[in-house]
Amino acid sequence: NAGVTQTPKFRVLKTGQSMTLLCAQDMNHEYMYWYRQDPGMGLRLIHYSVGEGTTAKGEVPDGYNVSRLKKQNFLLGLESAAPSQTSVYFCASTLKDAHNEQFFGPGTRLTVL
Amino acid sequence: GQNIDQPTEMTATEGAIVQINCTYQTSGFNGLFWYQQHAGEAPTFLSYNVLDGLEEKGRFSSFLSRSKGYSYLLLKELQMKDSASYLCAPLDSNYQLIWGAGTKLIIKP
Repeated sequence: NAGVTQTPKFRVLKTGQSMTLLCAQDMNHEYMYWYRQDPGMGLRLIHYSVGEGTTAKGEVPDGYNVSRLKKQNFLLGLESAAPSQTSVYFCASTLKDAHNEQFFGPGTRLTVL
Repeated sequence: GQNIDQPTEMTATEGAIVQINCTYQTSGFNGLFWYQQHAGEAPTFLSYNVLDGLEEKGRFSSFLSRSKGYSYLLLKELQMKDSASYLCAPLDSNYQLIWGAGTKLIIKP
């Protein structure tokens, strides 16, 4: 099993450009999450999904959109990138609910110039 | 508001024992997680406490006191590979994880 994978691993964008980050898991997990991690701060939840076809806003959803059309995939979109979105983005998944451990992908390092 | 407090950085010696403390204030409580994160890598799960007391798992133990809003992670027989950040994350009443900024642990020979 590959676990949780993220594509791409690195990306540099110019302000105003758009992109989509892909997260895939092969563990048949129900819940999936998108976080951003900035230096000196804890992980911050952007959006999450409790099942195929469902999404919900987290702590810092502005400027991002998500979709979960298939159970194994969770996409994070940036419609118009801003320098404040420079960060490391992690995707995670859990089997059933929040009591279960989260399995993280390797992260995407995004720089917006 | 919700708040997690853990030391920014700690230093310990190889072979020794270190205790990383975490105090939290959350709206409701449904358990507390500890994760390990090596530099440049993703967090990995260490422990989950939902009841008061000590949970032991090999060289790592985690303690919880719900009444005090306090937890600690105890690492024994420290190895160089234990150099990492340790993240404390309580689960609030909405079953959302509230992540601390983490404690960077530096192990010296």
